[in-house]
Amino acid sequence: QQQVKQSPQSLIVQKGGIPIINCAYENTAFDYFPWYQQFPGKGPALLIAIRPDVSEKKEGRFTISFNKSAKQFSLHIMDSQPGDSATYFCAASKGGADGLTFGKGTHLIIQP
Amino acid sequence: ETGVTQTPRHLVMGMTNKKSLKCEQHLGHNAMYWYKQSAKKPLELMFVYNFKEQTENNSVPSRFSPECPNSSHLFLHLHTLQPEDSALYLCASSQDISGSYEQYFGPGTRLTVT
Repeated sequence: QQQVKQSPQSLIVQKGGIPIINCAYENTAFDYFPWYQQFPGKGPALLIAIRPDVSEKKEGRFTISFNKSAKQFSLHIMDSQPGDSATYFCAASKGGADGLTFGKGTHLIIQP
Repeated sequence: ETGVTQTPRHLVMGMTNKKSLKCEQHLGHNAMYWYKQSAKKPLELMFVYNFKEQTENNSVPSRFSPECPNSSHLFLHLHTLQPEDSALYLCASSQDISGSYEQYFGPGTRLTVT
């Protein structure tokens, strides 16, 4: 049973466009929702994270939108650049020993 | 760099070999994790250690054996692996497991079982 569903699986956007990656979760006990960015040959790097007491969080060009009632959250990348081309993973956690539950990832390509 | 290092970066081993993966974190964290990343599958949590004590074994086969001698070091001992165990093995650390603290990942060890 996949607890965090991520879409789309792959995404191609022109430079300057706004790619949007969506995630949905099932477990209402989750209280921490991070996004990770992974480049080939590297481990996932924490990009931005949100807790359910806010509906939006911005850090630089990256924004998380959170809809608690719908159990969905999304990542928006403003003014996307070719250097943003990577695989993006959403995740969720309820703390404790369960660690992070990850989505399957989105392979993003930003075309020049 | 995230402050989490892993060695080796690449490993090829036969099914009868015994090898170990090493992880070291320089962040002063108390929790360390092993994850498995396979193609087309989500990252899978394997083991969790908090203050050197194992708190989670996520139904991992016994051919994977973790060891955490202190809060800064984590090992994954491998023996009689199967080809389907070929994957990227990632180590992560966090402040501890009480609450949803940020996890920081190492670069991973790319394991190929022949």
